[in-house]
Amino acid sequence: GAVVSQHPSRVICKSGTSVKIECRSLDFQATTMFWYRQFPKQSLMLMATSNEGSKATYEQGVEKDKFLINHASLTLSTLTVTSAHPEDSSFYICSATRTGVRSYNSPLHFGNGTRLTVT
Amino acid sequence: SQQGEEDPQALSIQEGENATMNCSYKTSINNLQWYRQNSGRGLVHLILIRSNEREKHSGRLRVTLDTSKKSSSLLITASRAADTASYFCATEYGNKLVFGAGTILRVKS
Repeated sequence: GAVVSQHPSRVICKSGTSVKIECRSLDFQATTMFWYRQFPKQSLMLMATSNEGSKATYEQGVEKDKFLINHASLTLSTLTVTSAHPEDSSFYICSATRTGVRSYNSPLHFGNGTRLTVT
Repeated sequence: SQQGEEDPQALSIQEGENATMNCSYKTSINNLQWYRQNSGRGLVHLILIRSNEREKHSGRLRVTLDTSKKSSSLLITASRAADTASYFCATEYGNKLVFGAGTILRVKS
């Protein structure tokens, strides 16, 4: 159980286009999902916290107009990279925690990530 | 930065040997978690140790936590080539999970 599906796994796009990444919790409801970004051989950096039915909370330094997050249902959050540029090329990973489970003392469940390459 | 630090950054060992990775963090915590990441993939949760626990075991994994030193260690015993991956510790601040820099483990067969 506790499977998180992320799609697509890999995407190549041209500079200036927008890319949408989906994160779905397959067998549980997730009020809260998290979006991370990871550069090669580096750790995960939290970009934003996605809350079902409300606005996402962005970390300092993350442009909310560039990284649009929508969490329209208890099982789906989307991250849209708008007007992508080569510097946006990275590995994007989502994670989710079960609704109703207190945030501490419970692990996060991660998607398999999306490798974005902007040419 | 709230991120912890891990050492070593990279570790290369022979199959059958033990691997020890260390993690330090900066503020008080509810728990500390260890995750594993295979190259180009998402993270897999390995083990969670609560702040009132000092040691925890799961199969070939042993985690210790020293809250007075704000540090934790992950020991993998009898390593296998399949253990080759990056290992991250993570601590929770508010409802956010913040990851350490990670240790890249390579187990040679």
